[in-house]
Amino acid sequence: GQQLNQSPQSMFIQEGEDVSMNCTSSSIFNTWLWYKQDPGEGPVLLIALYKAGELTSNGRLTAQFGITRKDSFLNISASIPSDVGIYFCAGHSIYNQGGKLIFGQGTELSVKP
Amino acid sequence: ETGVTQTPRHLVMGMTNKKSLKCEQHLGHNAMYWYKQSAKKPLELMFVYNFKEQTENNSVPSRFSPECPNSSHLFLHLHTLQPEDSALYLCASSQFIGAGRSMDGYTFGSGTRLTVV
Repeated sequence: GQQLNQSPQSMFIQEGEDVSMNCTSSSIFNTWLWYKQDPGEGPVLLIALYKAGELTSNGRLTAQFGITRKDSFLNISASIPSDVGIYFCAGHSIYNQGGKLIFGQGTELSVKP
Repeated sequence: ETGVTQTPRHLVMGMTNKKSLKCEQHLGHNAMYWYKQSAKKPLELMFVYNFKEQTENNSVPSRFSPECPNSSHLFLHLHTLQPEDSALYLCASSQFIGAGRSMDGYTFGSGTRLTVV
């Protein structure tokens, strides 16, 4: 079945540093999504990408839909303590009726003030 | 209320108890999901419901019993759980889409933190 490999699994950074994480898929996706999960809460959608090569920003967050349609990247610039949490990528293929998402394993981000 | 609401937020239950988790969505979605998330681990899909019909059961033990009476409500009935079932249980909803169309993602609830003692 379809699988997503998300890396890194965890990151420990200093406040102010930039962060990069990525996801790769074994198959083509038509939609890439990035979610953030605060401790003890459910994931919240950050960015949605719908076209190969698309680059979309949401404040200090920027995500890109890879040209091969098998990968996506999320960058966070000038990190702050409230960026702490788990970031999940998710992909959807139009060949899957119903809208089922495939999730990555998550990247746990820790920010040291 | 808007979005996806899960109750209770926290639940402590003994291994012989029976309890239920509730999820309600006010988004007009017609697909609902149960996920299990153990401490700092990936999301594990448990059940999928489309238009009130269960379309996926990912080999979940029978001590977890889902119920979807309508497209807005989803329950997870729990009985004779084990300590390893302690986890964050997340409900999500989305719009069911046909093949060939893009989707807008899931909306998650805040989860129920379950502790089995």
